[in-house]
Amino acid sequence: EIVMTQSPATLSVSPGERATLSCRASQSIGSNLAWYQQKPGQTPRLLIYGASTRATGIPARFSGSGSGTEFTLTISSLQSEDFTVFYCQQYDKWPLTFGGGTKVQIK
Amino acid sequence: QVQLVESGGGVVQPGRSLRLSCAGSGFTFSSYAMHWVRQAPGKGLEWVAVVSDGGGFKSYADSVKGRFTISRDNSKSTLSLQMNTLRAEDTAVYYCARDCGEIDKKTTNAFDIWGQGTVVTISS
Repeated sequence: EIVMTQSPATLSVSPGERATLSCRASQSIGSNLAWYQQKPGQTPRLLIYGASTRATGIPARFSGSGSGTEFTLTISSLQSEDFTVFYCQQYDKWPLTFGGGTKVQIK
Repeated sequence: QVQLVESGGGVVQPGRSLRLSCAGSGFTFSSYAMHWVRQAPGKGLEWVAVVSDGGGFKSYADSVKGRFTISRDNSKSTLSLQMNTLRAEDTAVYYCARDCGEIDKKTTNAFDIWGQGTVVTISS
């Protein structure tokens, strides 16, 4: 199975600053990567698919990049509602697998 | 509106069985592959199983293979997960999720719609 590793586990950022989250795959997955946001007590929300395409209704401050084994989610200017947990997920091969998550907290 | 509603969760003893259901509405259920994803308390997301739109393809996580069975009834727009020989480590919130399907002629097995989840607790 493809192992997805997210770093850092916790990221401390000030409101209005840029946040950069990383996701690494144990083997090449092309661009078959999605990012999700999960707020406390809520259902995950799809942010990005195809490594870089924003899902419907996702603000432009969220952007994804990368291919192969290295991927990045960038939040250009953190808003209060962005201090949550983010997960990456590969869909190149079965079984589908998620990263362990990155918690973005207020610095 | 597009909606998924899970049911069937509860507290069961180790070794027993439980059946989860998920009702879809607001979209053409039969046109989408469907998944189960779970989240143990305080932990991350774990994909569990998928069934294709017509039901002909199924795949499972190694952790549940041989114990869980995914199925669907397109005439009723429902998804099911039969869980047998339950273990303590199966304790989690179970979400049903809709597959994105084909986007720009490319298969995209990401999850664009999620239910609110149903809680399964395995405890003696």
